[in-house]
Amino acid sequence: QKEVEQNSGPLSVPEGAIASLNCTYSDRGSQSFFWYRQYSGKSPELIMFIYSNGDKEDGRFTAQLNKASQYVSLLIRDSQPSDSATYLCAVVKGGGADGLTFGKGTHLIIQP
Amino acid sequence: GAGVSQSPSNKVTEKGKDVELRCDPISGHTALYWYRQSLGQGLEFLIYFQGNSAPDKSGLPSDRFSAERTGGSVSTLTIQRTQQEDSAVYLCASSTNRDQPQHFGDGTRLSIL
Repeated sequence: QKEVEQNSGPLSVPEGAIASLNCTYSDRGSQSFFWYRQYSGKSPELIMFIYSNGDKEDGRFTAQLNKASQYVSLLIRDSQPSDSATYLCAVVKGGGADGLTFGKGTHLIIQP
Repeated sequence: GAGVSQSPSNKVTEKGKDVELRCDPISGHTALYWYRQSLGQGLEFLIYFQGNSAPDKSGLPSDRFSAERTGGSVSTLTIQRTQQEDSAVYLCASSTNRDQPQHFGDGTRLSIL
């Protein structure tokens, strides 16, 4: 089982709709969860972070965390063409002395 | 500057040469990280510094890779005797501590001929 799993996509969503991106992780000790957006040829850009079960909203973005199911998601409301990018889910595993463990990313396409 | 600064932005070198990559983290960030992203691949963690110490170096791909951080600020990643499989974008990130959000620099694109 991969440590952080995401559907690679592409996920195609009409402009103005809600884009839903999902991620599962294997380490039950994970405490910190992050979503990054990466445009082609650019470095990852932090979008959201969440530490507690439930929802966290910031503008058009909502992160959702369910530690019992080891599941974290990102919702993008009123999707815009500029949201088209690869979205990376990342976790900090419990214990250890390493950095973020990343999923492979989901390629999101917002269709005008 | 306000963000993580990496240099050089691009580096082309011949196989067998040594290269040194530099990262200047956000001021006040004690945690610093190096990652590697190969073409079409995910981000691979290499090494993490808390202050000047690297608690775990096991993420480095081989003994040709080394990293150091001095003064709790600037870090250098050195690759000796480069191989073609070392070609990748090397990304540096920093944060206030390990559980806090990491902010990435623009990366160094390394090409080994």
